[in-house]
Amino acid sequence: AQKVTQAQTEISVVEKEDVTLDCVYETRDTTYYLFWYKQPPSGELVFLIRRNSFDEQNEISGRYSWNFQKSTSSFNFTITASQVVDSAVYFCALSALMDTGRRALTFGSGTRLQVQP
Amino acid sequence: DTEVTQTPKHLVMGMTNKKSLKCEQHMGHRAMYWYKQKAKKPPELMFVYSYEKLSINESVPSRFSPECPNSSLLNLHLHALQPEDSALYLCASRPGRDGTGELFFGEGSRLTVL
Repeated sequence: AQKVTQAQTEISVVEKEDVTLDCVYETRDTTYYLFWYKQPPSGELVFLIRRNSFDEQNEISGRYSWNFQKSTSSFNFTITASQVVDSAVYFCALSALMDTGRRALTFGSGTRLQVQP
Repeated sequence: DTEVTQTPKHLVMGMTNKKSLKCEQHMGHRAMYWYKQKAKKPPELMFVYSYEKLSINESVPSRFSPECPNSSLLNLHLHALQPEDSALYLCASRPGRDGTGELFFGEGSRLTVL
């Protein structure tokens, strides 16, 4: 079975604060892929990052950074100096082989981030 | 701007109506997807088309009927829907069919069934 847990349902911060969104995953597959997507009020899911299970290097892209730790099955996402435009629902997702042999994409339940001015 | 275009953006229909949702992408992607998303929930997979053939149907009721006329287009035909089918319907595409790459999503069609 595979599962993605985003324990934080909703986070509210004030602009310029740093914020970390947690993601913990479970899978029996040894080759898997992790993703983060942003869903603003417009509805579209915007791809942010893809990481494969063999690449544990942390990544930084502007104000965004990702911390992948295989030992704790976590793939956390940090926004530095948050801005109002960062307000959205953020989904963590896992692509892995299921027991059926089919590869499936499993989304976490999402974390709603509200950045107050 | 998204490279996956969905129309209409909003649709209101009665339970006896027949309507269609349309999705188009011109990125040359060969895998296309329909997802359903209820409020405050993650997207749920409905159908996958790979090289214009239906490869996955996640036990979706027959009142939803997908169609892939060509590699750029994906339709979802709706008939005799129920109020609980009201949701955001998202189309997505992916370059290959091995399921390892990222999905590119459209903005969705928000459906209300009265």
